[in-house]
Amino acid sequence: DQQVKQNSPSLSVQEGRISILNCDYTNSMFDYFLWYKKYPAEGPTFLISISSIKDKNEDGRFTVFLNKSAKHLSLHIVPSQPGDSAVYFCAASRRGSARQLTFGSGTQLTVLP
Amino acid sequence: DAEITQSPRHKITETGRQVTLACHQTWNHNNMFWYRQDLGHGLRLIHYSYGVQDTNKGEVSDGYSVSRSNTEDLPLTLESAASSQTSVYFCASSSRTSRDTDTQYFGPGTRLTVL
Repeated sequence: DQQVKQNSPSLSVQEGRISILNCDYTNSMFDYFLWYKKYPAEGPTFLISISSIKDKNEDGRFTVFLNKSAKHLSLHIVPSQPGDSAVYFCAASRRGSARQLTFGSGTQLTVLP
Repeated sequence: DAEITQSPRHKITETGRQVTLACHQTWNHNNMFWYRQDLGHGLRLIHYSYGVQDTNKGEVSDGYSVSRSNTEDLPLTLESAASSQTSVYFCASSSRTSRDTDTQYFGPGTRLTVL
């Protein structure tokens, strides 16, 4: 049973437009959410995070939105750049889990020039 | 600069052989993790450690073991490699001092092929 789901395996966006990557979770105990970006042949790199006490967190071109009632979070990238082309993983941790992360299956973002 | 390294980056082995993948971090992080990445599954937790002499099983621990004799290293051992263990393996670490302990920092990965 996947507790963190990324239902879109891939997404293509034109350069300069907005990219929206989605993530759903089922475990209501999750209280901290992270997005990682991964390029081929490299390890995932931390991008942005959000605590469940917030509904939005922004860092430059990247904004994460959290809708707790819907158990849904999204990552907005605006404007999208070709260098943003990568696999994006959503991850979640829960109270008392002692710092374990549960990952989604990833979404391949391709930004077209 | 602090970093986390993995070796080897690529490994080909035969079924039944014992294999050890190395992970070394210079962040001085207490927490270390091993994941495997497979298509359609994202990253799945194999084993983790919260400090020296501490080890714990993750979601997919069967056939794997770890040991933590110092802060910097968490080697992953496949006792008897199986073809189902062909995967890309990532090591990660995180600190213990704040809520940011949930942010893990990853190594570059080891691609393991079991023939």
